[in-house]
Amino acid sequence: QSALTQPASVSGSPGQSITISCTGTSSDVGGYNYVSWYQQHPGKAPKLMIYDVSNRPSGVSNRFSGSKSGNTASLTISGLQAEDEADYYCSSYTSSSTLEFGGGTKLTVL
Amino acid sequence: QVQLVESGGGLVKPGGSLRLSCAASGFTFSDYYMSWIRQAPGKGLEWVSYISSSGSTIYYADSVKGRFTISRDNAKNSLYLQMNSLRAEDTAVYYCARVIPHIYDILTGTDYWGQGTLVTVSS
Repeated sequence: QSALTQPASVSGSPGQSITISCTGTSSDVGGYNYVSWYQQHPGKAPKLMIYDVSNRPSGVSNRFSGSKSGNTASLTISGLQAEDEADYYCSSYTSSSTLEFGGGTKLTVL
Repeated sequence: QVQLVESGGGLVKPGGSLRLSCAASGFTFSDYYMSWIRQAPGKGLEWVSYISSSGSTIYYADSVKGRFTISRDNAKNSLYLQMNSLRAEDTAVYYCARVIPHIYDILTGTDYWGQGTLVTVSS
């Protein structure tokens, strides 16, 4: 069982917006603004999409955005495209100075 | 461009040992914290360990503490993971990843990943 809870799957049609949640505790997500989101296509390495809750690395589309409220962080993808279909993972720094991941969410573009 | 290339994976029997390597290029390796993260077949990501830029600070996940040892050679731009007393549940793709720089030198996430090396523990 993963320390951070994500929905197993979400889906949306091209052009729509979807949101993936990541719920932790006050010892991780709620206690620090150090949540990251990663995109992983089948057979590929994960790619950083969001760091420090809401910052986008250079080169990542502005269709990807992050936020946090209390112990829950969220990744929103707007203007859904076929190439967004992938697995998405959240991670958070913890009070034990370690890194925790969520169980992952499979995004299906209908 | 940043490149991380893992090697050393393979098939090993339970109780055996394996040493993974990660060759880094395209950035000043000695300036960055580094981490190992693994992914069991069909499963999610699991953080394994990280090491500070100088090697003086090291953390492990409870699942590998006492069995795995992370190290680095800044002169060779290389990261290592010595894995002992391997178990079936250690079977996974092991990724080498660069830690996002932070003013407080803490593990807030990873910005570049290698392609991974598969470790299979089976008799």
